[in-house]
Amino acid sequence: QITLRESGPALVKPTQTLTLTCTFSGFSLTTPGMRVIWIRQTPGKALEWLARIDWDDDKFYSTSLKTRLTISKDTSKNQVVLTMTNMDPVDSATYFCARMQSWWGLDVWGRGTVVTVSS
Amino acid sequence: DIVMTQSPLSLPVTPGEPASISCRSSQSLLHNIGYNYLDWYLQKPGQSPQLLIYFGSNRASGVPDRFSGSGSGTDFTLNISRVEAEDVGFYYCMQSLQIPFTFGPGTKVDI
Repeated sequence: QITLRESGPALVKPTQTLTLTCTFSGFSLTTPGMRVIWIRQTPGKALEWLARIDWDDDKFYSTSLKTRLTISKDTSKNQVVLTMTNMDPVDSATYFCARMQSWWGLDVWGRGTVVTVSS
Repeated sequence: DIVMTQSPLSLPVTPGEPASISCRSSQSLLHNIGYNYLDWYLQKPGQSPQLLIYFGSNRASGVPDRFSGSGSGTDFTLNISRVEAEDVGFYYCMQSLQIPFTFGPGTKVDI
């Protein structure tokens, strides 16, 4: 069974750095073609793609957020970590991680973690 | 970035009747290997999004055959042949041809 689970703080203060962890099982991020992606969803329901890390450690970022985002992986722990610096209340959202095999869609999603940015 | 649009943004449906959602991209999503890099997702109330269609027309594993995707280039359609009550939720298209991947604004389907 393939699962992904997001974890991290539910509340962060403005200007702080958010660190989110995606812990997965049932697949390996060393398998060629495997990718993990972070997406967020605002309360208004819009989905926003944030970042992607591939099996070969290639990394890709949202155009508008790339100066604030860093994605990394720890294959020994089956984890992908996303950090976002200088958090603002507009970054309040539900953050999801998802798996992608080759280009066959985001086929498995985590349940999401809600992050609120407030002082 | 590639801009994705969807219409309608809200779609009342009747169980047993067909339904259709349109998705358009600001650039062609047709890759030179012949595939359209366009996915469809459904987010049911209280759940995470789930993959319905990839490459524009390929049903994901376990997706009922009442769902079908069509189109090429910049114009795509998701069809539901006979809507069931469990099909309510938000439907999103997403392009994966170019970084950053981008989503459409979503279509709310309800009965």
